[in-house]
Amino acid sequence: GENVEQHPSTLSVQEGDSAVIKCTYSDSASNYFPWYKQELGKRPQLIIDIRSNVGEKKDQRIAVTLNKTAKHFSLHITETQPEDSAVYFCAASKAKAAGNKLTFGGGTRVLVKP
Amino acid sequence: EAGVTQSPTHLIKTRGQQATLRCSPISGHTSVYWYQQALGLGLQFLLWYDEGEERNRGNFPPRFSGRQFPNYSSELNVNALELEDSALYLCASSLRVNSNQPQHFGDGTRLSIL
Repeated sequence: GENVEQHPSTLSVQEGDSAVIKCTYSDSASNYFPWYKQELGKRPQLIIDIRSNVGEKKDQRIAVTLNKTAKHFSLHITETQPEDSAVYFCAASKAKAAGNKLTFGGGTRVLVKP
Repeated sequence: EAGVTQSPTHLIKTRGQQATLRCSPISGHTSVYWYQQALGLGLQFLLWYDEGEERNRGNFPPRFSGRQFPNYSSELNVNALELEDSALYLCASSLRVNSNQPQHFGDGTRLSIL
């Protein structure tokens, strides 16, 4: 089955700096890659997603890149703010016929220091 | 628009008992997913229901089961509870179409086994 590895497990950045989280996946048939942000005691919140027919997607300070050949995708957060502090999860999924289940990475705890 | 709602918020049980967790999806969503988030760990896929049928299940024993009702709400049942079942159980919902659709999570039910 699919396996998703996520690095680093913890990331501490100074406010205003950029943060980058990297994930690799094992199943070349995976075609959908969402990112979730989970603040302490709250639900995972979808912040951005990318499909395999796109190489990059941006939404304000957040961007995701996908390299299908290398089977890795990354989350980039620019101009970090204290409210960006949370645990971030990457995930991978295949099309409906394969179950639509999300396979998650282990998470990255991001701390933005003021 | 109301999001995914789960009940109860917390559930305390003892070993060997049975637990029932409930989930109401976003209006218009027909797919419901269940995930387990054990302390310090990532999210593990449990079950996927769509149109009243179980479509896929993760690597969990048969004592984890559930169902989906005609109004698309869902129940997760865990029988013969064990200490390691203590976790946050998250429900997510999505539209059901022929390609991956974003999954939106509820706040979860925290199940504690004493």
